[in-house]
Amino acid sequence: KAGVTQTPRYLIKTRGQQVTLSCSPISGHRSVSWYQQTPGQGLQFLFEYFSETQRNKGNFPGRFSGRQFSNSRSEMNVSTLELGDSALYLCASSPRDGISYNEQFFGPGTRLTVL
Amino acid sequence: EDKVVQSPLSLVVHEGDTVTLNCSYEVTNFRSLLWYKQEKKAPTFLFMLTSSGIEKKSGRLSSILDKKELFSILNITATQTGDSAVYLCAVAASGNTPLVFGKGTRLSVIA
Repeated sequence: KAGVTQTPRYLIKTRGQQVTLSCSPISGHRSVSWYQQTPGQGLQFLFEYFSETQRNKGNFPGRFSGRQFSNSRSEMNVSTLELGDSALYLCASSPRDGISYNEQFFGPGTRLTVL
Repeated sequence: EDKVVQSPLSLVVHEGDTVTLNCSYEVTNFRSLLWYKQEKKAPTFLFMLTSSGIEKKSGRLSSILDKKELFSILNITATQTGDSAVYLCAVAASGNTPLVFGKGTRLSVIA
């Protein structure tokens, strides 16, 4: 099975712009989670989607949003970029069905740099 | 608020040494604890522990969970330079709540 893929792998934007990141989960996985990773804060949970519905949301401002499509692919969007949004954005998919819990499988991440 | 604390934050050892990484947690309705290894980008899954006192082992790596004292340790014996990475601990609670990650332990193994 192919692993989790994320595009693009690297991105450079300027303050005030917006960005869209994409994640394709492992085939058959319906849960997709997004994380922001920075050296100071570690891995912080952004949101999780399951069957096209946002199931959980972390403590991030409304500039961060996401969605999931019927094929389980997910996108996240960050509007009005700030310097502090520079980070590695990781996507993880899981086969969990809302009843039992299984481990998450991570993609390679998108490195976003905001200038 | 659910919390995961890892220690030490960083560690430098020589090849062949044995290391122990610690993870303590406070979480409501604990379900499982997971260890990941992150080298360059994507964290890769190592272990998932749900039962107290049962050791999980994979080669030179092993891990055990103590649900009474709320911690887990990850042991690496006969370390190699390829073990250099950030090791992440995460805890899952029951229900649909997301994983809570610790900040990681950065392990550097020098020849």
